[in-house]
Amino acid sequence: EVQLVQSGAVVKQSGESLKISCQGSGYMFSSYWIGWVRQRPGKGLEWMGLVHPPYSDTRYSPSFEGHVVISADTSISTAYLQWDSLQASDTATYFCARVDGLRIQPGGDFWGQGTQVTVSS
Amino acid sequence: DIQMTQFPSALSAAVGDRVTIACRASQSVSSWLAWYQQKPGKAPKLLIYKASSLEPGVPSTFSGSGSGTDFTLTISSLQPEDSATYYCQQYNDYSRTFGPGTKVEI
Repeated sequence: EVQLVQSGAVVKQSGESLKISCQGSGYMFSSYWIGWVRQRPGKGLEWMGLVHPPYSDTRYSPSFEGHVVISADTSISTAYLQWDSLQASDTATYFCARVDGLRIQPGGDFWGQGTQVTVSS
Repeated sequence: DIQMTQFPSALSAAVGDRVTIACRASQSVSSWLAWYQQKPGKAPKLLIYKASSLEPGVPSTFSGSGSGTDFTLTISSLQPEDSATYYCQQYNDYSRTFGPGTKVEI
């Protein structure tokens, strides 16, 4: 069974750093990209970027480039999303998703449960 | 950067009604368009991929159409469990932009 399990909810202060994780299981982790999606409270879905684990090939959406770092460690089948200095505007739920490059295959769409990040100023 | 728009932003309809949601891309995305359903506190669920292909397990009351820049999601007979927010997403490039969403109330 394919699963993406994300790290737990976290509360941070403005200016602190943070790294959240997404661990894949039940499939060949290196064969798929992992994407990250932000959802601010009461707002819509925003695609942040994605990483191809075996090559660390990373593509960022323009709105997020330079604000976050997406990475992966194939040895533990885990992808990461990290911030050097959090801001209150980073308060959101973050989802990871298994991505088949530039395509979607039937029955191949899997998502993590979401990680709630709260940043207090 | 491809921008996506959706309309309406919200709608209210009765059980059994036919509902249509529109999505427009700022440039052609060919047929690389998906539709997702999201319920509060849950991850998005894929309904339609490649503009009109139904994801396995999704009720046949859902259908998609369109190509290029204009797309539609249709729910042929609205059910109580269809109350959710619906998003289109282009995957013609790696930016994989979502539309702003359409909230459907029963």
